[in-house]
Amino acid sequence: GAVVSQHPSRVICKSGTSVKIECRSLDFQATTMFWYRQFPKQSLMLMATSNEGSKATYEQGVEKDKFLINHASLTLSTLTVTSAHPEDSSFYICSARLRSRVETQYFGPGTRLLVL
Amino acid sequence: AQKITQTQPGMFVQEKEAVTLDCTYDTSDQSYGLFWYKQPSSGEMIFLIYQGSYDEQNATEGRYSLNFQKARKSANLVISASQLGDSAMYFCAMREGRSGYSTLTFGKGTMLLVSP
Repeated sequence: GAVVSQHPSRVICKSGTSVKIECRSLDFQATTMFWYRQFPKQSLMLMATSNEGSKATYEQGVEKDKFLINHASLTLSTLTVTSAHPEDSSFYICSARLRSRVETQYFGPGTRLLVL
Repeated sequence: AQKITQTQPGMFVQEKEAVTLDCTYDTSDQSYGLFWYKQPSSGEMIFLIYQGSYDEQNATEGRYSLNFQKARKSANLVISASQLGDSAMYFCAMREGRSGYSTLTFGKGTMLLVSP
């Protein structure tokens, strides 16, 4: 159990376009989802915390107008990178926390974004 | 100061041997949780083991055990009987405060290579 999926797994886009990444909890309800960013050979950096039905909480230094997060249901959160630029190229990983087991976050497989 | 410190950028171990990955943490909270995740080259983050600050016994999950030394603020991961499939990046992470309202902070990771 506790499976989290992400779509797409990799995406290449042109500079200036917007990209939407979906994060789904497949077999459980996730009251909270998290979005992380990971540069090559570096650790995960939390971008924002997304609670179902409310606005996301962004970490310091993360532009909320650039990284739009929507958590419309207990099983789906989306991250939209607006007007993407090459420096936005990264590995984006979401995680979800079970309503019944808040100790553990279960991670999606990640999305590799390359902006040309 | 870093909240999670992993001092070993890389570790080598031979198959079937045990290996210890170091992790020290810094927090002033009385209630916190410590996690270890494995990230293979595919990028997914795999949850391995969890230790709560009030847990008196060291956590164990199969071949994984967490050597929790609260006074020293260390939470080392011990992998017994290493397998080739254990080769991956390993991240130590900490949740501070009440479990339902806090996020994870990750260390920089340790790359483990298991040789035949």
